[in-house]
This record gives sequence, C-alpha cells and structure tokens, in this order.
Amino acid sequence: TQLLEQSPQFLSIQEGENLTVYCNSSSVFSSLQWYRQEPGEGPVLLVTVVTGGEVKKLKRLTFQFGDARKDSSLHITAAQPGDTGLYLCAGVNTGTYKYIFGTGTRLKVLA
Amino acid sequence: DSGVTQTPKHLITATGQRVTLRCSPRSGDLSVYWYQQSLDQGLQFLIQYYNGEERAKGNILERFSAQQFPDLHSELNLSSLELGDSALYFCASSAGPWGEKLFFGSGTQLSVL
Repeated sequence: TQLLEQSPQFLSIQEGENLTVYCNSSSVFSSLQWYRQEPGEGPVLLVTVVTGGEVKKLKRLTFQFGDARKDSSLHITAAQPGDTGLYLCAGVNTGTYKYIFGTGTRLKVLA
Repeated sequence: DSGVTQTPKHLITATGQRVTLRCSPRSGDLSVYWYQQSLDQGLQFLIQYYNGEERAKGNILERFSAQQFPDLHSELNLSSLELGDSALYFCASSAGPWGEKLFFGSGTQLSVL
C-alpha cells in the first residue's frame, strides 16, 4: 500500500516566519500535487510537480519534487495569517491514475 | 468557487439509516471522484466515474454505492450507517479520465448518531 507521510502534523508560527512542510513516501509517483484546504471547504490545488528535482515557485511558496520522485517539500517564506489551513500532498500513480493523499499538515499563522 | 456543487452541506442521521449525497461536477468535466475525510484517516479515495462508467475503486465499503447519471451528476449512497461513517464526504471532478487536476466541492458533513 502506498503511503504519503507528511511532517510536521501541526505547525503554529508567528507572522513573518519561514516554514517547510515535508511529504515522504517509499513509493515512486509520476507526479505530485499540493493542495490547501480551509475550514468548511474542499482542497484547492496549488501546484503540480512532475519531474524529479523540479522546483516551482508560487509567490512566497516554493515546491520541490525529490530527485527520485518519492518525496516533496513545500517552503513558505514570510508566512501570513492567510496561509493558515490544512496542506495536503497527493501522489499520482501513472498506472492507475489514483491519487494517494498525504496525512496533512495543519498550519496556523498567528498575527 | 470550484464549480463543483455538493448537497446537502450537512446531514444528521441515525445508525442503520440510508442517505444519498449528491454532486454536480464542473461544467464540461466528465470525471467524478468521491472521497471520505475523517480526522484519523485523512482523505481516502472511494470511487471514480468517467462519463457514466465506473473507472476506479478505492476503499469503498460494500454498504456504499455510487453512480453517475447521463447528465453527469453523481450520487453516493450510504446504507446501514454506523457511527464510524461520520465524516466529511467530498466530490471532485476533472475534465478527463486521468484526473490531471481535481476540483473539489465544499463537501457534505455526515453525522451518524
């Protein structure tokens, strides 16, 4: 069974701090996506990374796909209260095109 | 707004009962996915339909069933409900069968008492 472990599980930081969330698996994925979910809403796609070693930037968010396509990280620079939410990574298996969602990281940014 | 509509938003029922959750995908999307989200299990894939046909199955219990209708809306039927079925149920849609990009609805919060 493919599993995606995210760390940390919970993170509470002050506005302006930097943080990194990790998504790890022992399985190889064809691509990996990151979603953010706010209370009362469904997950919203932030980015898709498809190439090993790929780095994508979305304003203050930097996403990296591991060289072996087994892990990924999300780095947020100068966090803001609006970044608060549940961050989910999702690995996509090429053969089945099934999404395996990670365990999630709950981020709270305090003003 | 993702364009995916789920009803009802909240549902409270008793053990042993049966409920139906409804989902309308984004205009033009042919695939519908159902997910269950609970605090201890995270987001679990249940089932996918593409253009009316079942395409992929995940951890869906035999007490649960789903279908996609000709107008592409989908329904998830949950029967013989148990306390442990209490969770957020999400529907997502994508344009094609491969799910390159999922758009999620706001979910149905099911509480089984």
